[in-house]
Amino acid sequence: DQQVKQNSPSLSVQEGRISILNCDYTNSMFDYFLWYKKYPAEGPTFLISISSIKDKNEDGRFTVFLNKSAKHLSLHIVPSQPGDSAVYFCAASWIYNQGGKLIFGQGTELSVKP
Amino acid sequence: NAGVTQTPKFRILKIGQSMTLQCTQDMNHNYMYWYRQDPGMGLKLIYYSVGAGITDKGEVPNGYNVSRSTTEDFPLRLELAAPSQTSVYFCASSYTSNEQFFGPGTRLTVL
Repeated sequence: DQQVKQNSPSLSVQEGRISILNCDYTNSMFDYFLWYKKYPAEGPTFLISISSIKDKNEDGRFTVFLNKSAKHLSLHIVPSQPGDSAVYFCAASWIYNQGGKLIFGQGTELSVKP
Repeated sequence: NAGVTQTPKFRILKIGQSMTLQCTQDMNHNYMYWYRQDPGMGLKLIYYSVGAGITDKGEVPNGYNVSRSTTEDFPLRLELAAPSQTSVYFCASSYTSNEQFFGPGTRLTVL
């Protein structure tokens, strides 16, 4: 049972344009969401997060939007750069989560073309 | 800080062999985790630990064992390797919860 889903395995955008990566979840208990970025042959690195008390969090070129009623979040990258080409994972957590466990989506591979 | 380090980077095992994947962190984090990532899939939690001497199962623990004798080290043991354990294994650590720091991974092939 996939509680966190990223339904687009891949996304291709032109340099300078906006990249929008989507993530859906099914568990209403999730109240904290994270995006990780992964380059080939490296471990994932934390990118940005959002708590369920907010609907938007921004960090430079990266913005995450949360729509709790739709159980949907998205990561916007503006403007996209070739160095953003990587696999992006959405992850979810919840309060009283012993050990800080994360539930990951399947990932979306972003390709930014010059 | 080296962060989270994992050894080896690559390994090929024969069916039935055993091995230990090493993980060390130098950030004095209480929480540590082992994940596996299969092609086209997200990361699945194998085992985790909230401190030295305390471990617990994640989503996919079968075929694996862990120990946590120190804060820094969290080795993952495969006792009887099977082809289904061919995967990339990531170790991670965190101070409290949520934001986890990952190692570079170990690519394991079981033939």
